[in-house]
Amino acid sequence: AQRVTQPEKLLSVFKGAPVELKCNYSYSGSPELFWYVQYSRQRLQLLLRHISRESIKGFTADLNKGETSFHLKKPFAQEEDSAMYYCALSGHHGNKLVFGAGTILRVKS
Amino acid sequence: SAVISQKPSRDICQRGTSLTIQCQVDSQVTMMFWYRQQPGQSLTLIATANQGSEATYESGFVIDKFPISRPNLTFSTLTVSNMSPEDSSIYLCSVSESSNQPQHFGDGTRLSIL
Repeated sequence: AQRVTQPEKLLSVFKGAPVELKCNYSYSGSPELFWYVQYSRQRLQLLLRHISRESIKGFTADLNKGETSFHLKKPFAQEEDSAMYYCALSGHHGNKLVFGAGTILRVKS
Repeated sequence: SAVISQKPSRDICQRGTSLTIQCQVDSQVTMMFWYRQQPGQSLTLIATANQGSEATYESGFVIDKFPISRPNLTFSTLTVSNMSPEDSSIYLCSVSESSNQPQHFGDGTRLSIL
């Protein structure tokens, strides 16, 4: 079965501090992993996908197949990073997504 | 990416009634999906809307409760039938331009049932 676990409901950090949002997954094949973000009063939008291997808004995420993880990282948090972050997995069964529970990131000034 | 319009944005309905939610895309897309987000919960896939054929439903969701139409490559509807308070959720449409492209989401429909 496909499962995505985000262990933290809320992560609160100070501006300028490093951020790591944890995501672990369970899937027997080769998954595709995504991070989606939802800012206040905005729609859910794609932040990163692991096959792109790019940095968006200073965020990066590396797929670690040994640890079945896809943690989202940013070296210096900014107040505008405050949002809900969802990790999601696609097992290539028609492109369907399985979402984690989400983590609220609060960046304090 | 495609521009997705979802209507209505919110509604308050009486129990026992039905509501149809529309999802319109400004370009042809291969795949369209419908998700539900119950209060305080994450997103759960209801079904994949297939153009010209019956939708593919996930475990726990049935066509009689959530009939879906997809008459062409730019439009889909989800109906929530015989609503009860447990159906109070945000319903989201998402699209993918092809099977190897990521999904993009509409603004969602916030539905409350009294």
